[in-house]
Amino acid sequence: NAGVTQTPKFQVLKTGQSMTLQCAQDMNHNSMYWYRQDPGMGLRLIYYSASEGTTDKGEVPNGYNVSRLNKREFSLRLESAAPSQTSVYFCASKDRPGYTEAFFGQGTRLTVV
Amino acid sequence: GENVEQHPSTLSVQEGDSAVIKCTYSDSASNYFPWYKQELGKRPQLIIDIRSNVGEKKDQRIAVTLNKTAKHFSLHITETQPEDSAVYFCAASKGTGGSTLGRLYFGRGTQLTVWP
Repeated sequence: NAGVTQTPKFQVLKTGQSMTLQCAQDMNHNSMYWYRQDPGMGLRLIYYSASEGTTDKGEVPNGYNVSRLNKREFSLRLESAAPSQTSVYFCASKDRPGYTEAFFGQGTRLTVV
Repeated sequence: GENVEQHPSTLSVQEGDSAVIKCTYSDSASNYFPWYKQELGKRPQLIIDIRSNVGEKKDQRIAVTLNKTAKHFSLHITETQPEDSAVYFCAASKGTGGSTLGRLYFGRGTQLTVWP
């Protein structure tokens, strides 16, 4: 049982380049989330999808877009990367939005130079 | 929106001692409070959670207490071991109802170091 799988694990981008972070879960979860983790800042929500077919902005959505491709997959796109987007990105999924555990992927360490 | 404050940011204890991490939240509608542990280079993992209709919950050496009136909750780790060394995050969420249902608002984390 793989759980939540993110690709890639590491990436270096030049300023202005674009890329898509992929996330897939095999637990048949309804809700999926993208967080970024910066030193001393905790985990901040970028976008989330409460159920297939819906997406909503989180706390820090600027510079990002998302696509809930199907129930399993939720991708995060950086259209024009900036150094401020250097961070560790985590995808997470939950069975349903309420009182349930969030399962995290292993993270993607992104550096924008 | 919800604002979660977590203290302290770093905590060092001797093996066998107890550790306490405290969090406050601002939105009285929040009713679900999980705690996550993140070891170095790993993903966050849930260690314990509590709903607002419960004042305390225990799981072996770990306990969480909640004071709804004061809007604060705490993680207690007893008989600490070196493998407890990690970053701990508290979070607040609405488990039921509301437009932000299910969104987790995290504290900034506490780096716990347990010395042998």
